Amino acid sequence: KQEVTQIPAALSVPEGENLVLNCSFTDSAIYNLQWFRQDPGKGLTSLLLIQSSQREQTSGRLNASLDKSSGRSTLYIAASQPGDSATYLCALDLMDSNYQLIWGAGTKLIIKP
Amino acid sequence: DADVTQTPRNRITKTGKRIMLECSQTKGHDRMYWYRQDPGLGLRLIYYSFDVKDINKGEISDGYSVSRQAQAKFSLSLESAIPNQTALYFCATSDSSILRDTQYFGPGTRLTVL
Repeated sequence: KQEVTQIPAALSVPEGENLVLNCSFTDSAIYNLQWFRQDPGKGLTSLLLIQSSQREQTSGRLNASLDKSSGRSTLYIAASQPGDSATYLCALDLMDSNYQLIWGAGTKLIIKP
Repeated sequence: DADVTQTPRNRITKTGKRIMLECSQTKGHDRMYWYRQDPGLGLRLIYYSFDVKDINKGEISDGYSVSRQAQAKFSLSLESAIPNQTALYFCATSDSSILRDTQYFGPGTRLTVL
């Protein structure tokens, strides 16, 4: 069974720092991996989607990488801002999942002004 | 206006009560999903629907039922609520015309069963 792990569960850093969030998984037979942001009371928003054939995706200050051989993905946030404070979740779309995403538990990020 | 809406946003109910959570979307998507989120756990899929006549059980469907009244509406029911159904519930949609597209989420319903 596919397991998705996000470590650490929580992270607090000063504003302006660059940071990396981690997502590890056990089954490399994936269509894609997605990173979502969750804000209280606002649901989840997709940030980046990396196809299985891709190594990374970038959007503004965010860069997500995918290494299927090691079962890892990272979300890099450059020059962090207080507005980046949220919970970040990764989700895998497995080849044998019939469109069911498998989710990590998330990393709660706090950016201190 | 939000593309995916959920009602109610918060609900407190008692053990044994029947409760319905509703989801509506204006995105024109054919696929809809219901998830629950518990503290420290990832989202878990309860039910999903690929069109009005296609309903499928997810990972944790026991104790829940759903109804797809129209392409835009997907309701989740708890026939007899129990305390371990206390959770944050999310509805999501996706577009089957886009291969393995992302999902779009509503704001969530926080349900407490006493």
